[in-house]
Amino acid sequence: TQLLEQSPQFLSIQEGENLTVYCNSSSVFSSLQWYRQEPGEGPVLLVTVVTGGEVKKLKRLTFQFGDARKDSSLHITAAQPGDTGLYLCAGASNTGNQFYFGTGTSLTVIP
Amino acid sequence: DSGVTQTPKHLITATGQRVTLRCSPRSGDLSVYWYQQSLDQGLQFLIQYYNGEERAKGNILERFSAQQFPDLHSELNLSSLELGDSALYFCASSVEGRQAGDGYTFGSGTRLTVV
Repeated sequence: TQLLEQSPQFLSIQEGENLTVYCNSSSVFSSLQWYRQEPGEGPVLLVTVVTGGEVKKLKRLTFQFGDARKDSSLHITAAQPGDTGLYLCAGASNTGNQFYFGTGTSLTVIP
Repeated sequence: DSGVTQTPKHLITATGQRVTLRCSPRSGDLSVYWYQQSLDQGLQFLIQYYNGEERAKGNILERFSAQQFPDLHSELNLSSLELGDSALYFCASSVEGRQAGDGYTFGSGTRLTVV
């Protein structure tokens, strides 16, 4: 099992604030993905990062893959209530055909 | 609508019973994955099927089994149910098992409550 630890586990912030969520592991992953899950729904893919050091931006969300491909971060600028949800990182095994999900970060953005 | 269909959406059953959860993958996807999500364990991988054959096994109990049919839909069978089996069960699909970089498409899940 390739364990992915996310921090913080819970985060409650005011609308307009910035935040960063971390995803760390001792294992190397061939790729890493971030998902957002809303209550009563399945996780929805936000982004895939493949190359060590890669940075991807999706509107107010910035994703970074660590140089050693063991960790990743998600930064949200000017958070909005619509960003509320459970954020999950998932690392792909070396064979690429299986993902290991992180422990999750529950984000609440207060209007 | 993600394209992955799971039924039923909710299921309440008694301890000791057996239930079957059904999943239809997104059109064109050959791989189906089953996950269990509970508050204390997070999203746990159970099993993967690719084009009808078992590809990988995760933390799946012996009381649980799954299969993928020729039309690519999959069923997860849970037997001798215990209170601790209460959880959300998700099915996800992907184009093929070898190129997971495209990510998974998840269904909306089945909420199982064992009483």
